[in-house]
Amino acid sequence: AQSVSQHNHHVILSEAASLELGCNYSYGGTVNLFWYVQYPGQHLQLLLKYFSGDPLVKGIKGFEAEFIKSKFSFNLRKPSVQWSDTAEYFCAVKQGSGGYQKVTFGTGTKLQVIP
Amino acid sequence: DTAVSQTPKYLVTQMGNDKSIKCEQNLGHDTMYWYKQDSKKFLKIMFSYNNKELIINETVPNRFSPKSPDKAHLNLHINSLELGDSAVYFCASSQGADTQYFGPGTRLTVL
Repeated sequence: AQSVSQHNHHVILSEAASLELGCNYSYGGTVNLFWYVQYPGQHLQLLLKYFSGDPLVKGIKGFEAEFIKSKFSFNLRKPSVQWSDTAEYFCAVKQGSGGYQKVTFGTGTKLQVIP
Repeated sequence: DTAVSQTPKYLVTQMGNDKSIKCEQNLGHDTMYWYKQDSKKFLKIMFSYNNKELIINETVPNRFSPKSPDKAHLNLHINSLELGDSAVYFCASSQGADTQYFGPGTRLTVL
């Protein structure tokens, strides 16, 4: 069965520090990869996604992620975090297409940015 | 206009009651989902519907029954509510394998 691992459960950073959140998945076939963000008290929103092409994808608010197929990884990065980046971050992997789409979310990483 | 809407936003009820949560999307998507997010923020898919047909039915108690009257709606009915059902329930929709758009969530509290 597909699994998605986010090893960092809680990350605390000072403003302007660099961020890297890990995401690893287990499925060996074709996948679509996503990072979602959930700000306090809000619903999940898409940060960025990878379907194909350039493995380095850029998302909103200065976030980027790199797909490394050989490592089954899709790590999220931001060079300089801000207090407003405090949120829960979820990696998601979708396999399948058409009428069957199995989506698996990681357990989430809570990011706390200290001013 | 809200893309994915859920009602109610908050739901407080007693153990043993039956309740429903409604979800509607106006994005024209063909796939809709129900997720449960527990107090530790762990997000678990419960159901997925594609064009009104059940595609994914994860291991959830059969007290939970989804119903999709049309492509734009996916409702969740819960029988005999238990304390452990307390959580935030999110509806989402997508077109094929693309981005999921989430609703605002329904915070269910079972007393």
